[in-house]
Amino acid sequence: EPEVTQTPSHQVTQMGQEVILRCVPISNHLYFYWYRQILGQKVEFLVSFYNNEISEKSEIFDDQFSVERPDGSNFTLKIRSTKLEDSAMYFCASRYETGDNEQFFGPGTRLTVL
Amino acid sequence: AQTVTQSQPEMSVQEAETVTLSCTYDTSESDYYLFWYKQPPSRQMILVIRQEAYKQQNATENRFSVNFQKAAKSFSLKISDSQLGDAAMYFCAYRSAYSGGGADGLTFGKGTHLIIQP
Repeated sequence: EPEVTQTPSHQVTQMGQEVILRCVPISNHLYFYWYRQILGQKVEFLVSFYNNEISEKSEIFDDQFSVERPDGSNFTLKIRSTKLEDSAMYFCASRYETGDNEQFFGPGTRLTVL
Repeated sequence: AQTVTQSQPEMSVQEAETVTLSCTYDTSESDYYLFWYKQPPSRQMILVIRQEAYKQQNATENRFSVNFQKAAKSFSLKISDSQLGDAAMYFCAYRSAYSGGGADGLTFGKGTHLIIQP
């Protein structure tokens, strides 16, 4: 069964550094998402991406964040100048075209900022 | 903006018993989708069940069923014959049906930690 994959599973970085979290969505999916879950808290929507551009973003997704689909398979989240409060689990999700509204989630990347 | 409220931070049930997890939401939209996701200790988000707001019939997936009360904006999850593998965090989520030319993200509740007592 096809699945969303994410790498790395755990990323440790120093405060102020840039990180890139990678996702490979399900191959025939067209909508892509990033979510964040700070430990012990709810999952929060960051951004959605469709047709090679951002279609929606939350207030969390400020200039520190950017997303890119550099090729036909990868979907990346870049976090510039990381802060301690960026430590969280980051989930990628993807969804097929209209008519199928299930978002399939990846296993997540745990980001630890020291 | 839509909000999702799960008022039970933790629930406990005996194995093989039935448990109901509560979820309420607030929206001004008439068409939307509701979901229950399960997050086991591995933290992978797994879809349990979904409901389209325009459908009056409650969704059912094997041991999992929902009680969708649109007027009351309530969307509870019933788990029958609870199994040890059901132990997890359960998140209720909302998604607008009006994608506005793009894709809308899910709005999650804070989750309910379900404990299964053997």
